[in-house]
Amino acid sequence: EAQVTQNPRYLITVTGKKLTVTCSQNMNHEYMSWYRQDPGLGLRQIYYSMNVEVTDKGDVPEGYKVSRKEKRNFPLILESPSPNQTSLYFCASSIHTAGANVLTFGAGSRLTVL
Amino acid sequence: KQEVTQIPAALSVPEGENLVLNCSFTDSAIYNLQWFRQDPGKGLTSLLLIQSSQREQTSGRLNASLDKSSGRSTLYIAASQPGDSATYLCAVRRGNAGNMLTFGGGTRLMVKP
Repeated sequence: EAQVTQNPRYLITVTGKKLTVTCSQNMNHEYMSWYRQDPGLGLRQIYYSMNVEVTDKGDVPEGYKVSRKEKRNFPLILESPSPNQTSLYFCASSIHTAGANVLTFGAGSRLTVL
Repeated sequence: KQEVTQIPAALSVPEGENLVLNCSFTDSAIYNLQWFRQDPGKGLTSLLLIQSSQREQTSGRLNASLDKSSGRSTLYIAASQPGDSATYLCAVRRGNAGNMLTFGGGTRLMVKP
């Protein structure tokens, strides 16, 4: 089944403890991206990647890192999490061909930073 | 900076009604526009994608239109059903290569039996 898989789905951690949220897609998509969803602020783009070893900042990149060493994986790294990074995170992917670049989303990862 | 607004924020209708959800954006230089639905606690499911050169797309009871010059898109849902209850989001893909996305705040729809 074609899908985007995120792990963990739920995580409670403490301030300053490094964590990684993994994202993997099995559709051979070039484009991958991360978003956070917060009440009253909607979905905002954190980082995106156009292909392997090509990443760039979205609208809210502060406090996050990403890497794209393989086409299928795009992990989101919080080096030193803070309570304001408590949020619902989504990973998404698409091919990068005009007319067919429908975004497919993962199920989401709910992160709580105490 | 691109801003995307969805009106209304919430909508409650009886089953069977036809309804229109609105999405407006401030910068007409878009790559495409996509409509999603999000069920509570779940991820986003793509409904329709309209490229910047297109005027509308249809899928079943859904029809989405795009007027780039006026910065507007509408999602038309025909003969609404209780199963259509969800939050509907529009997202504008922008940038030279369509690499950035801006989402609207969503319309929370409830269809009553």
